[in-house]
Amino acid sequence: AQSVAQPEDQVNVAEGNPLTVKCTYSVSGNPYLFWYVQYPNRGLQFLLKYITGDNLVKGSYGFEAEFNKSQTSFHLKKPSALVSDSALYFCAVRANDYKLSFGAGTTVTVRA
Amino acid sequence: NAGVTQTPKFQVLKTGQSMTLQCAQDMNHNSMYWYRQDPGMGLRLIYYSASEGTTDKGEVPNGYNVSRLNKREFSLRLESAAPSQTSVYFCASSERALGQYFGPGTRLTVT
Repeated sequence: AQSVAQPEDQVNVAEGNPLTVKCTYSVSGNPYLFWYVQYPNRGLQFLLKYITGDNLVKGSYGFEAEFNKSQTSFHLKKPSALVSDSALYFCAVRANDYKLSFGAGTTVTVRA
Repeated sequence: NAGVTQTPKFQVLKTGQSMTLQCAQDMNHNSMYWYRQDPGMGLRLIYYSASEGTTDKGEVPNGYNVSRLNKREFSLRLESAAPSQTSVYFCASSERALGQYFGPGTRLTVT
């Protein structure tokens, strides 16, 4: 079965520092991978996806993610974090033609 | 273009009451989904509809029913609410799982 794991419940960084949110995946076949962000009391917003092509995927709000097939990872990154990036982040993998399987989420806190 | 809309935004029910959560999308997507979100448990799929006229169970379907009314609308019904169904419910839509688009959520409390 396709699945993702987010090994960190929480990530804390200072504003202006690089931000990394980790995700590892387990799939049979080619992975379709996604990142979502959830701000307090809001629905999930799509950030970016990897289907095929370049291993570095650029997304919304200055985020990017690096696909690493040998390490089965798809880490989310931002070179310089903002306080407004504080939110809950979810990694997901396509489980079949219709379903996604989500990780448990990582809470990011960016301190001023 | 409103995307995915959900009603109501908030609801309080007593144990045993019933209610229907409504969801509509205007992106002409074939697939629609209902999730619940509980602290520390991420998103769990309740039911999904791959296309109009079909529905399938997800991870946690017990206590719920769904109706895919047409291509735009997908409703979730709680026949006899229980405190364990206190949660935030999200509807989503997509085209063949190439990225799902989520509604703003419904916060349900069952007392």
